[in-house]
Amino acid sequence: RKEVEQDPGPFNVPEGATVAFNCTYSNSASQSFFWYRQDCRKEPKLLMSVYSSGNEDGRFTAQLNRASQYISLLIRDSKLSDSATYLCVVIPSNTGKLIFGQGTTLQVKP
Amino acid sequence: EPEVTQTPSHQVTQMGQEVILRCVPISNHLYFYWYRQILGQKVEFLVSFYNNEISEKSEIFDDQFSVERPDGSNFTLKIRSTKLEDSAMYFCASRTSQGNEKLFFGSGTQLSVL
Repeated sequence: RKEVEQDPGPFNVPEGATVAFNCTYSNSASQSFFWYRQDCRKEPKLLMSVYSSGNEDGRFTAQLNRASQYISLLIRDSKLSDSATYLCVVIPSNTGKLIFGQGTTLQVKP
Repeated sequence: EPEVTQTPSHQVTQMGQEVILRCVPISNHLYFYWYRQILGQKVEFLVSFYNNEISEKSEIFDDQFSVERPDGSNFTLKIRSTKLEDSAMYFCASRTSQGNEKLFFGSGTQLSVL
């Protein structure tokens, strides 16, 4: 089983749509979870951290289900500028390294 | 916002040649990392560096790879004898501490091995 697994997509949605991405991780002892955004040929940039209680940042909502080892990202009212690859990222226990999923590509169309 | 700086942005080399990729982490950061991303694939961890030594490395980081912090500002990745499969985008990153502190990435060096 891959350490971090995502549906690669692509997800093609119209502007204004709500879209959800899912991610699973294999190490049950993982401690920290994030969503990063990566534009084509650019560096990953932190979108938001993910907490068990769930957290929201504007149009973005992230959820963590530790029992199912599952992370989600919900984007409401999609904008053209949301088009990017969304990377699910996990920090395994006792390490500082980030483990990246393959990423889910989102294309928002006018 | 402070930035991690990487040079060069593009590097073309012949197979078997040595390359050095350079990074200037953010000045008050203590933990340094190299990641790579082969075109179309995921971002992969190579190595982490703290207190002037390697703290962790992946299977990818074999004897052909080395890292160095030669002075107080630079953090370099050396590949001694490049192979075609080393062609990738190499990202340097740094942070103030471990745990869930934000990791700042540089804009990357695209290495092409011919």
